[in-house]
Amino acid sequence: NAGVTQTPKFRVLKTGQSMTLLCAQDMNHEYMYWYRQDPGMGLRLIHYSVGEGTTAKGEVPDGYNVSRLKKQNFLLGLESAAPSQTSVYFCASSYTPRAVGQYFGPGTRLTVT
Amino acid sequence: AQSVTQLDSHVSVSEGTPVLLRCNYSSSYSPSLFWYVQHPNKGLQLLLKYTSAATLVKGINGFEAEFKKSETSFHLTKPSAHMSDAAEYFCVVSDNQAGTALIFGKGTTLSVSS
Repeated sequence: NAGVTQTPKFRVLKTGQSMTLLCAQDMNHEYMYWYRQDPGMGLRLIHYSVGEGTTAKGEVPDGYNVSRLKKQNFLLGLESAAPSQTSVYFCASSYTPRAVGQYFGPGTRLTVT
Repeated sequence: AQSVTQLDSHVSVSEGTPVLLRCNYSSSYSPSLFWYVQHPNKGLQLLLKYTSAATLVKGINGFEAEFKKSETSFHLTKPSAHMSDAAEYFCVVSDNQAGTALIFGKGTTLSVSS
């Protein structure tokens, strides 16, 4: 049982490049989330999914897209990276977040130059 | 809208002394509240949660928190700090009635000196 895993762990992009971050969970959770963490800002929700084939916008969705084609995977895409997207990205999943809380992956550190 | 305020950005204590990390929240609903801990270069770990059961909630590693509705507070405490408690702590509230999103405080960095 690996929990929540994220790929890659580190990445450096040039402005304008694109990339996809992969999140996988093996706990059969319905809900999955993508957050970004910036110094002094806590975590902010980018997008989330309440089940396979569904996605919804969070607090800071601009510049990102997501897909949930399989229940266990949640992909975060950056179509044209900008320096403002330099951050640490965390994926999380949960069965019922309100009662249980969310399980977090180890994070992906992204630098856009 | 829901929000959470962590009243201290940095708390320093000596090993063996009590820890108090303060958190106030606002919520239109009966809230679920959480404390998460993040050690350096690590992911987030759930410490404890309040979901409208007992107001005094016990978590892992000797931490506990008390939900006080009249004060809209959910402060985190530990009787005796350990060096391994040095980390960043986040107070979190459910964003909506369905609980599909969490609102994070900006975090409190706890330093523990010997």
